[in-house]
Amino acid sequence: GESVGLHLPTLSVQEGDNSIINCAYSNSASDYFIWYKQESGKGPQFIIDIRSNMDKRQGQRVTVLLNKTVKHLSLQIAATQPGDSAVYFCAENRGGNTPLVFGKGTRLSVIA
Amino acid sequence: KAGVTQTPRYLIKTRGQQVTLSCSPISGHRSVSWYQQTPGQGLQFLFEYFSETQRNKGNFPGRFSGRQFSNSRSEMNVSTLELGDSALYLCASSLVQGEGELFFGEGSRLTVL
Repeated sequence: GESVGLHLPTLSVQEGDNSIINCAYSNSASDYFIWYKQESGKGPQFIIDIRSNMDKRQGQRVTVLLNKTVKHLSLQIAATQPGDSAVYFCAENRGGNTPLVFGKGTRLSVIA
Repeated sequence: KAGVTQTPRYLIKTRGQQVTLSCSPISGHRSVSWYQQTPGQGLQFLFEYFSETQRNKGNFPGRFSGRQFSNSRSEMNVSTLELGDSALYLCASSLVQGEGELFFGEGSRLTVL
């Protein structure tokens, strides 16, 4: 499959455990954030988003937390499954019709 | 509804050649963005088109160019290819420019020899 990142930080978790993937963003003017999942050989897929007027948003098995004070974003995956193995990217929108800026990504490896 | 379609999926070129990549956005989406993905640099923004006009451009040399047609389909071109242009080129579409979720295609994997 595609190699999307040979130098990425890697998080290894046991199947069934919870995963937490972190992301630091740089621009305090950023007002919209998205988490993407990229599986081998595929393009990034939307997981969940959050606007800057919120500090938490929940989806199915996923939760995004936003801490604007320290410019930190996290993605929590509950009961991690083998199918969650992928590279996860955070992306920020810095407003004013500017393009999404992506973080470097974190590789999640689920141990069965 | 069909997703974002990119062609070709894989291609091999030699240094000095040029390449054209194609992207068909999701029906109804008028904004198309292009990103270059490499292991060392991650996802780097190339350009964004909306209503046939380039609205944003990333920090890439003039060898990289693009265009959008009236049906929202987009192409990008890289001329005088260099080894460092080897990458996965991703196209993404969205309903409107500059906001909301981007929907990505599976990419065009370019190898420059």
